[in-house]
Amino acid sequence: EPEVTQTPSHQVTQMGQEVILRCVPISNHLYFYWYRQILGQKVEFLVSFYNNEISEKSEIFDDQFSVERPDGSNFTLKIRSTKLEDSAMYFCASSEKGPPYGYTFGSGTRLTVV
Amino acid sequence: SQQGEEDPQALSIQEGENATMNCSYKTSINNLQWYRQNSGRGLVHLILIRSNEREKHSGRLRVTLDTSKKSSSLLITASRAADTASYFCATDGRMRDSNYQLIWGAGTKLIIKP
Repeated sequence: EPEVTQTPSHQVTQMGQEVILRCVPISNHLYFYWYRQILGQKVEFLVSFYNNEISEKSEIFDDQFSVERPDGSNFTLKIRSTKLEDSAMYFCASSEKGPPYGYTFGSGTRLTVV
Repeated sequence: SQQGEEDPQALSIQEGENATMNCSYKTSINNLQWYRQNSGRGLVHLILIRSNEREKHSGRLRVTLDTSKKSSSLLITASRAADTASYFCATDGRMRDSNYQLIWGAGTKLIIKP
């Protein structure tokens, strides 16, 4: 069964550093998303991406964050100048047709900012 | 306002028993999805039920949707130790001008005792 692949599975970074989280969505999917889950809390929407541009972003997704689809397969989330509170599990998801259809999530990247 | 609230927050049952988890939401939806998350791991999509469906089955899972009550239930029959996980509902519908994000509940932590 097709999968959404995320790398790395765990990233430790120093506060103030930049990190790039990588995702390979399912090849025929057109809609891409990033969500995050702070330990013990709800999953939160960050951003959706369609047709090479951001469709929607949440209040969390401020200027510290950016997304990019640098080539035909990767979808990246860049976090500039990381803060301790950015520590969370970051999930990438993709969807073939977008809402109201289902999503496929990756297994996540655990980001730890120290 | 919060969308997708599960209850109970935690449920502990004996192996072999049935587990029922509930989810309530506040706004109109296109669909409602249930996900499983093993401790600290990724989100696994279990089942999606559309707003015009009332019941759906997948193996030992049965999901119901009552749009008049804005609620859904997930039933796991003949539970197994491997079912121990957190279970989340997520709704995909319009919230204000939002069209692209999943709104998540806080989850039900299910523990199956051998």
